[in-house]
Amino acid sequence: DQQVKQNSPSLSVQEGRISILNCDYTNSMFDYFLWYKKYPAEGPTFLISISSIKDKNEDGRFTVFLNKSAKHLSLHIVPSQPGDSAVYFCAATEGGAGGFKTIFGAGTRLFVKA
Amino acid sequence: DTGVSQNPRHKITKRGQNVTFRCDPISEHNRLYWYRQTLGQGPEFLTYFQNEAQLEKSRLLSDRFSAERPKGSFSTLEIQRTEQGDSAMYLCASSYPGERNSPLHFGNGTRLTVT
Repeated sequence: DQQVKQNSPSLSVQEGRISILNCDYTNSMFDYFLWYKKYPAEGPTFLISISSIKDKNEDGRFTVFLNKSAKHLSLHIVPSQPGDSAVYFCAATEGGAGGFKTIFGAGTRLFVKA
Repeated sequence: DTGVSQNPRHKITKRGQNVTFRCDPISEHNRLYWYRQTLGQGPEFLTYFQNEAQLEKSRLLSDRFSAERPKGSFSTLEIQRTEQGDSAMYLCASSYPGERNSPLHFGNGTRLTVT
């Protein structure tokens, strides 16, 4: 039972353009959502998060949008840079930011072409 | 803050052998997690400690798996009688509830190959 789904295994974008990574979830009890980025041979690193009481959170080139009614969130990267090439995991927790069990999607591999 | 440290980075073992992995979390983090990641999948939750107490175990954690955090600092994950299906990346993470957003801080993992 996949509670967090990332249906696009990979995405290729030209440098300078927008990257949009999508994520759907099924558990309506999730109230905090995070994006992690992973380079090869490294563990995932936290990128950006959003609480379910918000519909947008922005941090520099990264913006996360949350549509609770559709149980959908997306990560926008503008402008995309070659160093953004990595695997991006969508994740969700219950119990807010302090929720102990974080559920991850399968990841989307982003390729940013120079 | 040197980050979360995991040892060894790679482990190759024969089926039926026991293996043990170690995780040293960020020093002020009282929460410690173990996750498993297989090819093409995201990290899957295995277990969670708050200080030395193991508060949650996934049903993925069969009775061949045991985790400890004896003094609330480092943790070990032992797999007994390894099977080929145990081959995966084992990730440790830690967090501090007082940190903004309380994200997980992951180590670089231990890659287990069971032959």
